[in-house]
Amino acid sequence: GAVVSQHPSWVICKSGTSVKIECRSLDFQATTMFWYRQFPKQSLMLMATSNEGSKATYEQGVEKDKFLINHASLTLSTLTVTSAHPEDSSFYICSASGTVSYNEQFFGPGTRLTVL
Amino acid sequence: GENVEQHPSTLSVQEGDSAVIKCTYSDSASNYFPWYKQELGKRPQLIIDIRSNVGEKKDQRIAVTLNKTAKHFSLHITETQPEDSAVYFCAASIESGANSKLTFGKGITLSVRP
Repeated sequence: GAVVSQHPSWVICKSGTSVKIECRSLDFQATTMFWYRQFPKQSLMLMATSNEGSKATYEQGVEKDKFLINHASLTLSTLTVTSAHPEDSSFYICSASGTVSYNEQFFGPGTRLTVL
Repeated sequence: GENVEQHPSTLSVQEGDSAVIKCTYSDSASNYFPWYKQELGKRPQLIIDIRSNVGEKKDQRIAVTLNKTAKHFSLHITETQPEDSAVYFCAASIESGANSKLTFGKGITLSVRP
């Protein structure tokens, strides 16, 4: 139980285009989803927290107009990187928490974004 | 906000030896401390966690100790095996249900030499 999937697992795009990443909780209801960014050989940095049906809460320094987060249902959250640039290239990981455990976060497999 | 420090950044041990990884945290209100193992290009995997109402927790070859007074906690891996080689992250959180945010340490790369 407590499986989280992400799609796509990797994506390559041209500079200036937008990319959407999906995060799904497959076997539980995710009342909260978290989006992290991880640069090579670095730690996970929280970008934003989203609750189903509410606007996401962004961490300091994260541009909300650039990283659009939607959490429209209890099983799906999306992160859209708008007007992507090479510096946005990173490993994006989502996690979900909700009905299956008090506060444990269950991580998705990550999405490798490369912006050319 | 919370600040989690993790030292050292790399650790190399001989297979069969023990490995100890230490973390410190700054916010005395933090009460949940998970440890994650991450292999290259993969998701972080929870390997053990501890809450502030206990001082030690053990699961087979892995144990975690917590010193609330000193605000530090440690991961202990005994009888290390090559498959233990990975990046290990500690984290700290104030438990508040599904919205609990994790603050991660910078990670340590553990190498187990055969």
